[in-house]
Amino acid sequence: DIQMTQSPSTLSASVGDRVTITCRASQNIHSWLAWYQQKPGKAPKVLIYKASNLKTGVTSRFSGSGSGTEFTLTISSLQPDDFATYYCQQYNSYPYIFGQGTRLEIK
Amino acid sequence: QVRLVESGGGVVQPGGSLRLSCAASGFTFSSHGMHWVRQAPGKGLEWVAFIRYDGSAKYYADSVQGRFTISRDNSKSSLSLQMNSLRTEDTALYYCTKAETVVSHDWGQGVLVTVSS
Repeated sequence: DIQMTQSPSTLSASVGDRVTITCRASQNIHSWLAWYQQKPGKAPKVLIYKASNLKTGVTSRFSGSGSGTEFTLTISSLQPDDFATYYCQQYNSYPYIFGQGTRLEIK
Repeated sequence: QVRLVESGGGVVQPGGSLRLSCAASGFTFSSHGMHWVRQAPGKGLEWVAFIRYDGSAKYYADSVQGRFTISRDNSKSSLSLQMNSLRTEDTALYYCTKAETVVSHDWGQGVLVTVSS
C-alpha cells in the first residue's frame, strides 16, 4: 500500500500569513492527489484535485502543487475561516490512503 | 443540489453486524462511483471502500477486507455498507461520498457506529 505522510501535524499561524502544508507519498502517485479541509463537527470538503486543480467555488487563496512523491498545499493569506484540519489523499491506486492530517490553528 | 443522507448506525456488540445505507439525490446516481470513508472519534480520515458507478468493481481497505461489503441499487439511488464481524476499532463516523473521477467531491453528514460491549 502507498503511505501518505503530512507535515507538520500542527501549524500555528496568524491571519494574513502564507502557509504551506506538505504531503509525501511512499511511491510515485503522479498527480493523483487531492486536498480536503475539515472543520470541527463538519464533513470534509475537497479543495484541490489532481494535485493542482482548484475545485469550482473554492477561493483562489488555496493552491496545490507537486507531482510524483512530494506535494504542497499553500494558503496565500490566511483568513479566519481557514483555520481547520487539512488532509491529503492519494488516488493513484487502491487503497486510497489519506494523510494523517494537519491541524491549522490560530497563533 | 447533491444530497447524501446516511442511516443505519447505532451501538452493536463486538462480533455483531450492521448495515449502513446512503440515500442519494440531486444527481444521476447511476453515473457516479461512490465511497465510504470513516473517522474514529478525534482521529483522521480513513478510506473504507469504493464501488464503481455500475457496481462492476469494488475495492476495500485492508482493515475491512473480508468483513465489509459495499453495494448499490441504482434503481433506488441507494448505497449500502454491510458490516460483519465488527470490532471495537470499527467505531467511527461513517461518511458516504460521491466520486468525480474517484475524488470525493460531495459528502454526507455521516452516521455514527459504536462497537462496544
